[in-house]
Amino acid sequence: AQSVTQLGSHVSVSEGALVLLRCNYSSSVPPYLFWYVQYPNQGLQLLLKYTSAATLVKGINGFEAEFKKSETSFHLTKPSAHMSDAAEYFCAVSRANAGGTSYGKLTFGQGTILTVHP
Amino acid sequence: EAQVTQNPRYLITVTGKKLTVTCSQNMNHEYMSWYRQDPGLGLRQIYYSMNVEVTDKGDVPEGYKVSRKEKRNFPLILESPSPNQTSLYFCASSLRTAGSQGYTFGSGTRLTVV
Repeated sequence: AQSVTQLGSHVSVSEGALVLLRCNYSSSVPPYLFWYVQYPNQGLQLLLKYTSAATLVKGINGFEAEFKKSETSFHLTKPSAHMSDAAEYFCAVSRANAGGTSYGKLTFGQGTILTVHP
Repeated sequence: EAQVTQNPRYLITVTGKKLTVTCSQNMNHEYMSWYRQDPGLGLRQIYYSMNVEVTDKGDVPEGYKVSRKEKRNFPLILESPSPNQTSLYFCASSLRTAGSQGYTFGSGTRLTVV
């Protein structure tokens, strides 16, 4: 079974400050990991993904995430927050089988709402 | 433009009245999936389909049906909707390796059952 836990349902930062959104996963096999962003009244947009290549993954809008197997974590960071980063962020996990392909099941965390203050 | 299209965007219905939410993708994706989003629970998978005529249950399939007769379409059917199915629904699609590529999501359907 696979699961995702996002620590903190709400995170508030000042504009220009570091953004850190935490995600821990549980998977019995090597996982694929994703961060999605959802702006108000919109669907989900893929920010970045980890698929067993480089452990530091760079995504869109200046975000990046680091896969740490020993900590089973995949935290999302951005050095300097912008007002336009205010949104809800979701971490998600899927799993690969022994052949390296993957299943259609993508499991999401509960989401973290990011607020950016001027 | 490559996209996943859901209809309708908003729907209010009464308990017990059968409804269908349509989903179509123009990317020739093999994988399609339905999720529901509820506050504090994130997104939970209802059903997914790996290809035409191949579907499987997700985490919360009760009260829902799906079919995949064509590659591009994956409708969600509520035979007898109940108020606890009031939610925001998303359809998504992906290439065959859904787990490594991630899904492309539609804009959502907000369903209210009264």
